[in-house]
Amino acid sequence: AQKVTQAQTEISVVEKEDVTLDCVYETRDTTYYLFWYKQPPSGELVFLIRRNSFDEQNEISGRYSWNFQKSTSSFNFTITASQVVDSAVYFCALSEAWGSQGNLIFGKGTKLSVKP
Amino acid sequence: GAGVSQSPSNKVTEKGKDVELRCDPISGHTALYWYRQSLGQGLEFLIYFQGNSAPDKSGLPSDRFSAERTGGSVSTLTIQRTQQEDSAVYLCASSMGTAPSTDTQYFGPGTRLTVL
Repeated sequence: AQKVTQAQTEISVVEKEDVTLDCVYETRDTTYYLFWYKQPPSGELVFLIRRNSFDEQNEISGRYSWNFQKSTSSFNFTITASQVVDSAVYFCALSEAWGSQGNLIFGKGTKLSVKP
Repeated sequence: GAGVSQSPSNKVTEKGKDVELRCDPISGHTALYWYRQSLGQGLEFLIYFQGNSAPDKSGLPSDRFSAERTGGSVSTLTIQRTQQEDSAVYLCASSMGTAPSTDTQYFGPGTRLTVL
């Protein structure tokens, strides 16, 4: 069965600290897609990244980086030099290529608080 | 429009009443999804539309929930005889629809439903 686990419910850091948000997934499909979304206090889910199961290259976008490891079924997200504006709930999600119509399976989310 | 829009942003209703929630997807997006976000259950998939048809209604929690989409654009989610457990934020997302399981979904701001 497909599942996404974000074991960290809440994380609190001080500005400029680095922080890693963990995501572990389960799927029987060999082709699948992984996503991260940010949900700031305003409530709207903002797309951050999409990664397919055949591309294990790590990705960096400014202060954000993602580490995809199929061997451990993990897709972790690191924010370097965190800022107060990074405070939000972050969701990891899975979409399977077969047997679904693209509906996303979400983790429970990690609430990140960055204090000045 | 530039993004996915939803209305109303907030809806308070009495138990037993019917409610309609509206979603206007990104222009040109043929795939449309409804999700529900509640404290206890996290983000749950409800229904998927490709054009005007709904090939996947597997997430609708009961027969009190229905949805339709007209003209391949606007969608309405209807909840009949609302119950207190229906209180949640209802999120709509749309994607290009060319390859639903791989396309990135873009979310609207949601409708917060409160059933008294």
